[in-house]
Amino acid sequence: GQQVMQIPQYQHVQEGEDFTTYCNSSTTLSNIQWYKQRPGGHPVFLIQLVKSGEVKKQKRLTFQFGEAKKNSSLHITATQTTDVGTYFCAGLGMGYYGQNFVFGPGTRLSVLP
Amino acid sequence: EAGVAQSPRYKIIEKRQSVAFWCNPISGHATLYWYQQILGQGPKLLIQFQNNGVVDDSQLPKDRFSAERLKGVDSTLKIQPAKLEDSAVYLCASSLPPGPFYTFGSGTRLTVV
Repeated sequence: GQQVMQIPQYQHVQEGEDFTTYCNSSTTLSNIQWYKQRPGGHPVFLIQLVKSGEVKKQKRLTFQFGEAKKNSSLHITATQTTDVGTYFCAGLGMGYYGQNFVFGPGTRLSVLP
Repeated sequence: EAGVAQSPRYKIIEKRQSVAFWCNPISGHATLYWYQQILGQGPKLLIQFQNNGVVDDSQLPKDRFSAERLKGVDSTLKIQPAKLEDSAVYLCASSLPPGPFYTFGSGTRLTVV
C-alpha cells in the first residue's frame, strides 16, 4: 500500500534559525496536506497543495509540492518558540473502498530560545 | 462553530477489558473518521463513515475493534478485549465531503496496563 515518509524525525533549532521538513510518498499523490500538532494537542490543518510544483506561503511558512507530485516540503523562516510541535504531511491515497489520506510519521521540531 | 467533541479525555484499563469512545462531529459534517495515533507516530486511519455508512474499514482490527454511527451524527468506537498495544490516542475527525481537510477532536488517550 501507499507509504508516506518524512525526514528528519526530529529537529532542534535555535530560535531565529530556519527549519525544513521533507515528505516523500511511495506513489503519486493527487494532493497533499500539512498539519501541525502541538505537544499534548491534536493535529490542526495548515494547508493543502494540489498542483504539480505548487508553492504556497503562510507568513513565515512556505509549502511546496514536487513536480512529480510524490514529494513535498515545509520550510519555516526564522523559527519562533510558537513553532514548536510535530509537523505531519498527509497524502491522498486510494483506500480499498475509496480515497483517504495517509499520514507520515511527522517531524518533531524543538526551538531553543 | 463548535469543534469535534470527544469523550472521555483519558482512560486507563487493564488488558482484556473493554472500552468505548464517543465522538460528536461538527454539525453538518457528513464524513467522520476514527484514527489511532501511537506515541511518536502519525495518525493511522481505522475507519471512515459517510453519514451512517462505512466507506473504509480496511485497517480496523475487526476481531477486537468495532465502530458505529447509527444516525449519521455521533459515533462510538469500541475495543473488546483490549491489548497492551492498543495504548494510543484515539482521534476522531470530521470533514465536509469531499474535504478539503480534517478537523480533529482533542482525542482520547487510552492506556492499557
